[in-house]
Amino acid sequence: LAKTTQPISMDSYEGQEVNITCSHNNIATNDYITWYQQFPSQGPRFIIQGYKTKVTNEVASLFIPADRKSSTLSLPRVSLSDTAVYYCLARNTPLVFGKGTRLSVIA
Amino acid sequence: DVKVTQSSRYLVKRTGEKVFLECVQDMDHENMFWYRQDPGLGLRLIYFSYDVKMKEKGDIPEGYSVSREKKERFSLILESASTNQTSMYLCASSVEQYEKLFFGSGTQLSVL
Repeated sequence: LAKTTQPISMDSYEGQEVNITCSHNNIATNDYITWYQQFPSQGPRFIIQGYKTKVTNEVASLFIPADRKSSTLSLPRVSLSDTAVYYCLARNTPLVFGKGTRLSVIA
Repeated sequence: DVKVTQSSRYLVKRTGEKVFLECVQDMDHENMFWYRQDPGLGLRLIYFSYDVKMKEKGDIPEGYSVSREKKERFSLILESASTNQTSMYLCASSVEQYEKLFFGSGTQLSVL
């Protein structure tokens, strides 16, 4: 099963772009990469999913290089409300969440 | 809009009690999941179900059982609650086995 590794925590100031990188060295050919966001006292919420190159939606962008061994979630111009834990999952381990990256946005 | 509803937001039980945590989804999803979340440990999968009356063990099934008699409802059962089962319990559902998960708001269970 593909295992993901991401930083435990990150800090950012409001208005900055934040990039969270996740490594998934054992990702299988047909696996997708999915990111979730979790606020305190809530369940995780789907943010974005991609297979290769770049995917963008109203919340974030996801960059996946050609070798697909890593991916980067990009949050443009973060605000205090983006403070949350962000989880990266490779598709064949969608049932397994790691510890995620705790993003703290500072005013 | 998609909705996963967990019956209780907070629950306090005593050691040895039998505890039922209920989860209902209104999206006709095939797949349902139970996780627990503890500080520093992330989300851990307890049980999941890909169809009615079907269940599979996750990473930490010990001390738990599940029931799925109807497609929309997935129940987590603590046969004899213990203090180490104090945790946040999260239910989720999805259309396809590995597709986007929709989570409920969670049940914070305290076992005293």
